Amino acid sequence: DIQMTQSPSSLSASVGDRVTITCRASQGISNYLAWYQQKPGKIPKLLIYAASTLQSGVPSRFSGSKSGTDFTLTISSLQPEDVATYYCQKYNSAPFTFGGGTKVEIK
Amino acid sequence: EVQLVESGGGLVQPGGSLRLSCAASGFTFSSFSMNWVRQAPGRGLEWVSYISSNSGAIYYADSVKGRFTISRDNAKDSMYLQMSSLRAEDTAVYFCAGGNSRVPDYWGQGTLVTVSS
Repeated sequence: DIQMTQSPSSLSASVGDRVTITCRASQGISNYLAWYQQKPGKIPKLLIYAASTLQSGVPSRFSGSKSGTDFTLTISSLQPEDVATYYCQKYNSAPFTFGGGTKVEIK
Repeated sequence: EVQLVESGGGLVQPGGSLRLSCAASGFTFSSFSMNWVRQAPGRGLEWVSYISSNSGAIYYADSVKGRFTISRDNAKDSMYLQMSSLRAEDTAVYFCAGGNSRVPDYWGQGTLVTVSS
């Protein structure tokens, strides 16, 4: 099975900082990669699908990109409401594995 | 408004069985593919199972294969997860999640399953 390795597992950044989270697939998954945001005590929210397509209603400070088997979620200017855990998920074929998550906090 | 409401969680002894339900409303359920995703206390998301809109494609995580069975009834706008031979490590909040592609863009609030003696 394809493994999804997400890094870092946690990060602390200041408001306004540019934040980057990476998800590496152990094999090619084309662009079948989604990113979710889960705020404390809340359900997951889809941010990005097809590696770089922003879900409707998601702020434009969020973006996704792909380079080979590496996928990146970028928050261009971190806001207090972005405190959450972020997960990637592959969906090219089963199993539809999630990454381990990245907890984002404000410094 | 799209709504997914899980039910059926609770406390069950190791080796026991439980059936979860997910009731859908506010959209054409028969056009959505659906998933069960779980989250153990303080842990990350774990994909459990997938069922396509017409039940033609069904997949399971290795951790539940042979013990869990996913199904749906489009006439009742509902999806189910029959869980058997439950283990302590199955303790988690179970979410139903779906969308009109493989990417689940709608999620329920979850139902807690606790496996303990």
